[in-house]
Amino acid sequence: DADVTQTPRNRITKTGKRIMLECSQTKGHDRMYWYRQDPGLGLRLIYYSFDVKDINKGEISDGYSVSRQAQAKFSLSLESAIPNQTALYFCATSDLTDTEAFFGQGTRLTVV
Amino acid sequence: LAKTTQPISMDSYEGQEVNITCSHNNIATNDYITWYQQFPSQGPRFIIQGYKTKVTNEVASLFIPADRKSSTLSLPRVSLSDTAVYYCLVGALLRGYQKVTFGTGTKLQVIP
Repeated sequence: DADVTQTPRNRITKTGKRIMLECSQTKGHDRMYWYRQDPGLGLRLIYYSFDVKDINKGEISDGYSVSRQAQAKFSLSLESAIPNQTALYFCATSDLTDTEAFFGQGTRLTVV
Repeated sequence: LAKTTQPISMDSYEGQEVNITCSHNNIATNDYITWYQQFPSQGPRFIIQGYKTKVTNEVASLFIPADRKSSTLSLPRVSLSDTAVYYCLVGALLRGYQKVTFGTGTKLQVIP
């Protein structure tokens, strides 16, 4: 089983719909992250969480919200999806040393 | 926040050694240098991390000169499966409230 699991792997949704992307990890790490990847732009940080009670905005948080339901679960929501949120989304975890981050397989989201 | 500069792309023939250099002129005293590999439609994967001099593991070597303003990832005898994007990061993935970005990386194409 994967250390970091993202669901769904692929999703097509309509403009204005609410959608939730889920992430769970079995690493036992406190730190979790959501990234977005667009072609030619690398990965950009959306939100990050140091523990269940500590959630912080990343560089591109507008239009997104998150929920850290437990140490192992970190979900990303798009309250009202728009086409320019079409992208590949990655969840990641790391321990307190940040030596190594473990990424999920990604969720490919298309907003039409 | 240290900024990194890498070549956008590189080509190499199978069996050759590949060296990818990353510039990070503003690296801080406490910053580490970390490299990730990303295959298409997959999450990035940790390759190697170092602070100074040379680090070697089963996958790659990392060379860091004394001034630490650059680093070189060395992949010995590449194969077609090494075709991927390679990211150089400076700092921790997240330390305190620093937000380290991945940048656009170096796209390595291995040619038969």
